[in-house]
Amino acid sequence: DAKTTQPNSMESNEEEPVHLPCNHSTISGTDYIHWYRQLPSQGPEYVIHGLTSNVNNRMASLAIAEDRKSSTLILHRATLRDAAVYYCSISGNTPLVFGKGTRLSVIA
Amino acid sequence: ETGVTQTPRHLVMGMTNKKSLKCEQHLGHNAMYWYKQSAKKPLELMFVYSLEERVENNSVPSRFSPECPNSSHLFLHLHTLQPEDSALYLCASSQETAVDSPLHFGNGTRLTVT
Repeated sequence: DAKTTQPNSMESNEEEPVHLPCNHSTISGTDYIHWYRQLPSQGPEYVIHGLTSNVNNRMASLAIAEDRKSSTLILHRATLRDAAVYYCSISGNTPLVFGKGTRLSVIA
Repeated sequence: ETGVTQTPRHLVMGMTNKKSLKCEQHLGHNAMYWYKQSAKKPLELMFVYSLEERVENNSVPSRFSPECPNSSHLFLHLHTLQPEDSALYLCASSQETAVDSPLHFGNGTRLTVT
């Protein structure tokens, strides 16, 4: 399975956009890129996923590099409720495997 | 309400006890999973069931025994656990085990082994 690399932590001001990066240089052609987040005392929550094209939904946008070796999760306006650990994961022949994620802090 | 309900939310058990964790999904999904989340470690996949058949077992010790009686229910039976088994145990479900099928997680059972 392709491995992912994310920064351990990031900080954002409230109401500002946040760009969370993920490197997945060993991704294969049929692997999907998934993003989940985990709020304190809760299970992980699905955010978005994509294959090649950029994706938008009500929670976030996913920008995928042309070579697919990296991606960026974009939160357009961070709120205090977005403070969580964000996981980038690649799905191939086996179910999702999660890394350590990025802990996002949002400052009021 | 996540659509995936886990009980109990907290469990404390001794090393000689036998207990079971329960997971129920109300989403009509065909696949269910057990993950383990230890402090400061990534989520670890333990078991995968698709249409009530186990399709993956990630070298989990035999003191953990899963059971999937139907597509809506998943159990994790625990016996003679060790203190290092203390962790958050998360259940998830998905429509299929396909690579583009999002997972829906419950809020977990916080297990403490004394």
